[in-house]
Amino acid sequence: QVQLVQSGAEVKKPGSSVRVSCEASGGAFNNYAFTWVRQAPGQGLEWMGRIIPVLGRTAYGERFQGRVSISADSSTGTVYMQLSSLRSDDTAVYFCATHSIGSFYGPTDIWGQGTMVTVSS
Amino acid sequence: MLTQSPGTLALSPGERATISCRASQVVNSNYFAWFQKKPGQPPRLLIYAASRRATGIPDRFTGSASGTDFNLTITRLEPEDFAVYYCHQYRDSPTFGQGTKVEIK
Repeated sequence: QVQLVQSGAEVKKPGSSVRVSCEASGGAFNNYAFTWVRQAPGQGLEWMGRIIPVLGRTAYGERFQGRVSISADSSTGTVYMQLSSLRSDDTAVYFCATHSIGSFYGPTDIWGQGTMVTVSS
Repeated sequence: MLTQSPGTLALSPGERATISCRASQVVNSNYFAWFQKKPGQPPRLLIYAASRRATGIPDRFTGSASGTDFNLTITRLEPEDFAVYYCHQYRDSPTFGQGTKVEIK
């Protein structure tokens, strides 16, 4: 069963960028798609994007188009989410997730622990 | 877009909870899920493919679908079920509903 471990909390200035990593272990990396979801304080869940590393395919949520980039390094089994032009309303917990069920478009039943990103001047 | 109702549900342990989610356009029910979210924890998958329980999910959680309407029912609320619930379609342009808080009455 694959497990996901994310990088630690970040504090960033408005206008800067942040990169959060998510290391997958315990499974064959290229068998999985990886999704990023965030939750701002007091707000709901937002789907940010997805990568299928073996296909080199990415998809991004409309709200994040042009600001988010998801990449993967199969040699280390790590997925990255980079968000640029940070604003205060990007302050949130960012989660990576993957699936143990079905194909690359299976439901996300395996989650990382979350990474808090705080954007503040 | 997925629209959940109600926004908040105030119930007592042992009562039945029903949460609705309406899609603004046709959704493939094979790619429809329900999540439970508690503070400080990642989301927990409850239901996928509209009605299939995820591994380890108690049978008091049931999902159903009819056209663009989806329901999550918790037959008898346990103390640990008080949380926020989200519907989610995860195939094309994935999106979440806005959430329904189930709180203790």
